[in-house]
Amino acid sequence: AQSVSQHNHHVILSEAASLELGCNYSYGGTVNLFWYVQYPGQHLQLLLKYFSGDPLVKGIKGFEAEFIKSKFSFNLRKPSVQWSDTAEYFCAVNAIGRRALTFGSGTRLQVQP
Amino acid sequence: DVKVTQSSRYLVKRTGEKVFLECVQDMDHENMFWYRQDPGLGLRLIYFSYDVKMKEKGDIPEGYSVSREKKERFSLILESASTNQTSMYLCASITARGQNTGELFFGEGSRLTVL
Repeated sequence: AQSVSQHNHHVILSEAASLELGCNYSYGGTVNLFWYVQYPGQHLQLLLKYFSGDPLVKGIKGFEAEFIKSKFSFNLRKPSVQWSDTAEYFCAVNAIGRRALTFGSGTRLQVQP
Repeated sequence: DVKVTQSSRYLVKRTGEKVFLECVQDMDHENMFWYRQDPGLGLRLIYFSYDVKMKEKGDIPEGYSVSREKKERFSLILESASTNQTSMYLCASITARGQNTGELFFGEGSRLTVL
């Protein structure tokens, strides 16, 4: 079975600080990887995704993530966070051929002005 | 834009009541999902459906059932609500072509409190 671990549950940063949120998955086969974001009071939306090719993927709002196959990781990064990045971030994995995404426990990011 | 609409944003029910949560999508998506979201646990899959009248159990189906009589509508049913089913319930959909390669479209959630 596939599973996802997010080790940072709550992160507090000041504006302009750099961000890295960890995500590790457990599955031996080929996977697709996703980061979703949930802004306060809003529905979940896709931030970025990795299917194949360049392991460094770029998403919306300056976010990027790097897939490291040997480490089963897909960490999310942003060089300089803004107050508007305050949200909850979820890593998700989908094994090829499986219909449903498996989500991690989420990381709540609080950016202080 | 894809729209996934959950009929009730907030519900308060009593233990033992039957609860229906409705979800409608307007983009002719084949696949629909019900997740529950709890602090510290993230999203956990309850049930999903890949076609009308077709359903599969997710990771935590106990205490829940679903109904998909029409392609656009996917209902989650709590036959006898219990306090441990107090949670935020999220509906999502995606095309069959998009599964594994595309993004899920989520509704805004239904926050259920069982007293």
